[in-house]
Amino acid sequence: GAGVSQSPSNKVTEKGKDVELRCDPISGHTALYWYRQSLGQGLEFLIYFQGNSAPDKSGLPSDRFSAERTGGSVSTLTIQRTQQEDSAVYLCASSLELGSNQPQHFGDGTRLSIL
Amino acid sequence: KQEVTQIPAALSVPEGENLVLNCSFTDSAIYNLQWFRQDPGKGLTSLLLIQSSQREQTSGRLNASLDKSSGRSTLYIAASQPGDSATYLCAVVNTGFQKLVFGTGTRLLVSP
Repeated sequence: GAGVSQSPSNKVTEKGKDVELRCDPISGHTALYWYRQSLGQGLEFLIYFQGNSAPDKSGLPSDRFSAERTGGSVSTLTIQRTQQEDSAVYLCASSLELGSNQPQHFGDGTRLSIL
Repeated sequence: KQEVTQIPAALSVPEGENLVLNCSFTDSAIYNLQWFRQDPGKGLTSLLLIQSSQREQTSGRLNASLDKSSGRSTLYIAASQPGDSATYLCAVVNTGFQKLVFGTGTRLLVSP
């Protein structure tokens, strides 16, 4: 596609429910990144993928968070047993390849609200 | 641990002014530095990327400079327009890593 596509754009759910956030990167981009933007913490890294593998998961805040990528394309970020502190905007980015000095291009994000 | 700071946090200028946004980082071992703008309720739009070996990059009315040894970058916006109103973020990629480490942002308002 023309840009990074994320869905849903907004998600409201009750505390304790599981949520799945989807990211469709720019066609041909092998690297994919997840970030989180919240009022108190600014923009913080969660995880990145090179192809289908995730060499760096260091930013995932707890074991309730997981992500996968299939076919070297679409990625899903899953949050289990959501808590109110999970409320944030989740941003996905992609780049042509790792270590290539290519810019990361971002989607519009998923705004997640936990009631 | 890399820390990125942006000054000022907010800036309000009349249309037509030239302005400079500042970004500083604590660890000079960076691979590149990227400037973004973010409009309310939207994602980030990439403006400029400066590789660690470069001193500056230009795109239209935007010019970004990098002084790696002093841990500083500036974004110069010439002849500002109301459409430039947004939050501007700088971010660095440290050598040996892939993730962006973001600054706190500068919220810019350009008045007609």
